[in-house]
Amino acid sequence: ETGVTQSPTHLIKTRGQQVTLRCSSQSGHNTVSWYQQALGQGPQFIFQYYREEENGRGNFPPRFSGLQFPNYSSELNVNALELDDSALYLCASSFSGGAETQYFGPGTRLLVL
Amino acid sequence: AQRVTQPEKLLSVFKGAPVELKCNYSYSGSPELFWYVQYSRQRLQLLLRHISRESIKGFTADLNKGETSFHLKKPFAQEEDSAMYYCALAFRSGTYKYIFGTGTRLKVLA
Repeated sequence: ETGVTQSPTHLIKTRGQQVTLRCSSQSGHNTVSWYQQALGQGPQFIFQYYREEENGRGNFPPRFSGLQFPNYSSELNVNALELDDSALYLCASSFSGGAETQYFGPGTRLLVL
Repeated sequence: AQRVTQPEKLLSVFKGAPVELKCNYSYSGSPELFWYVQYSRQRLQLLLRHISRESIKGFTADLNKGETSFHLKKPFAQEEDSAMYYCALAFRSGTYKYIFGTGTRLKVLA
């Protein structure tokens, strides 16, 4: 059974640029959630995708957008990067939407200069 | 507004001593509560969830709706329990949303 994988592991961008982060869900899972974790903070829920549809969203602006593909992998896109977007971005997959156990990936560390 | 509060950033205990990691939540409905743990150089993983009422690695957590708490307890701490612990709330507001606390770092001293 393959666990949740994320790419890239880390990257550096400049303010105003756009970034795409990728996540492969665990085998058998159809739901992917994305989180932002700033230094010293807990993960903050960005949004969740269930069977290719957005299934829930936290308090993040529209420049944070996502996609889920038929194989249930997912992308997180962030436009017009700001310095405060520097954080660890975590992806988690689960068997279905709702309050299911989430299985986390190792994260992508984004630095915005 | 919904909230999860973990009042302690750091908790140090000696090996063999009891451990209690505090978690308070703010939510008027029926909460779904979880404890996640992150060991050094590992990814975040589920420790336990309140609906399963299981004891994992000797840890238990009881939901107290009156005090809106979901404290994590273990009677005898072990050095391998040293980790970062996050309390999390899942709730439905149209669709599901998730809130994590800021985490408590547990250090078990030899």
